[in-house]
Amino acid sequence: AQRVTQPEKLLSVFKGAPVELKCNYSYSGSPELFWYVQYSRQRLQLLLRHISRESIKGFTADLNKGETSFHLKKPFAQEEDSAMYYCALSGDTDKLIFGTGTRLQVFP
Amino acid sequence: SQTIHQWPATLVQPVGSPLSLECTVEGTSNPNLYWYRQAAGRGLQLLFYSVGIGQISSEVPQNLSASRPQDRQFILSSKKLLLSDSGFYLCAWEPRTGVGVYEQYFGPGTRLTVT
Repeated sequence: AQRVTQPEKLLSVFKGAPVELKCNYSYSGSPELFWYVQYSRQRLQLLLRHISRESIKGFTADLNKGETSFHLKKPFAQEEDSAMYYCALSGDTDKLIFGTGTRLQVFP
Repeated sequence: SQTIHQWPATLVQPVGSPLSLECTVEGTSNPNLYWYRQAAGRGLQLLFYSVGIGQISSEVPQNLSASRPQDRQFILSSKKLLLSDSGFYLCAWEPRTGVGVYEQYFGPGTRLTVT
């Protein structure tokens, strides 16, 4: 079965501190993994996908097949990074499996 | 450019009443369409998805149903609402590429409160 686990419901850091939002997945094939973000009063939107290997807004995420993880990282958090972050997995179907989300709070 | 609309934005309905939430997409053809429910602590739960007119896949057994009467219209319905149906409902669309998931684009959502 395909599953995405985000163990932290809430992550609080101070501005300038490093951030790592954890995501683990369960899938027997080759996954496509995504991070979606929802800022306050805005629509849920794609932040990055592993296949692009991009850094978006300073965030990066590396797919680790050995550990079945796709953690989202940023070396220096900003207040505007405060949002709800969802990790999502696509297997061999037309649907995404989302994790339960992690709320990131960045304090000044 | 493509846009996705949902209405109503908020809805308060009594238990046992019917429900109809509508989602429309503009600026694209043959999209995949999705209904999700977002609940605190439970993340995004996929309810239904559709790859074409009249083609609906149900992910979670419940008293909700979905229909796709037109290519860019997706409707979420219920004949009798339950208290547990309260939540935030999101519609999303995706270009149909035929190869897994490309990127899903989400609507503004509908906040449903069943009283």
